[in-house]
Amino acid sequence: DGGITQSPKYLFRKEGQNVTLSCEQNLNHDAMYWYRQDPGQGLRLIYYSQIVNDFQKGDIAEGYSVSREKKESFPLTVTSAQKNPTAFYLCASLPGGGDIQYFGAGTRLSVL
Amino acid sequence: RKEVEQDPGPFNVPEGATVAFNCTYSNSASQSFFWYRQDCRKEPKLLMSVYSSGNEDGRFTAQLNRASQYISLLIRDSKLSDSATYLCVVNSRSGGSNYKLTFGKGTLLTVNP
Repeated sequence: DGGITQSPKYLFRKEGQNVTLSCEQNLNHDAMYWYRQDPGQGLRLIYYSQIVNDFQKGDIAEGYSVSREKKESFPLTVTSAQKNPTAFYLCASLPGGGDIQYFGAGTRLSVL
Repeated sequence: RKEVEQDPGPFNVPEGATVAFNCTYSNSASQSFFWYRQDCRKEPKLLMSVYSSGNEDGRFTAQLNRASQYISLLIRDSKLSDSATYLCVVNSRSGGSNYKLTFGKGTLLTVNP
């Protein structure tokens, strides 16, 4: 089945630790996105990538980093500089020429 | 005006009721509009897209008023399974050929037996 796979489903971060959230898609979509959702809030864009080896900051990029070495993969690293990382992280992808984004099942990140 | 603003809710309605969600957006150059449904602790899933004045799919009707920068979603004959948060999403040009989705905070609907 084609789709977007995020892992892990739940992740715990210790103080000062960097953690990486995985996002893989087999839809052959060009663009990929990372969003953060806090309780009672809308989704906020962290980073996005429209082609391999290129990515752009979104509205809340501070404390996060990404890479896009392969079309299928867009991992997000939450660095120790992100002081309030507890949230629901959603990855999405978009086909070329399209405007409907499809989401993975998300990763819940908490701080120990 | 906020970029995308929705009714704060929550809405509690009995089964069979008709419920309407309202959404306004600030960017008059917005290109396309969507309603996503998000179940508790799950990812958003596309419910309807709206490109012209409206769209209808069974019990669901979405309407767009570009002059007023307003989008609505109407659910008729609501079912228990319609209980979810409904997100209004607007697609706008963010510079060059880039487009950006802006999400409303969502409106929680609970349909009661």
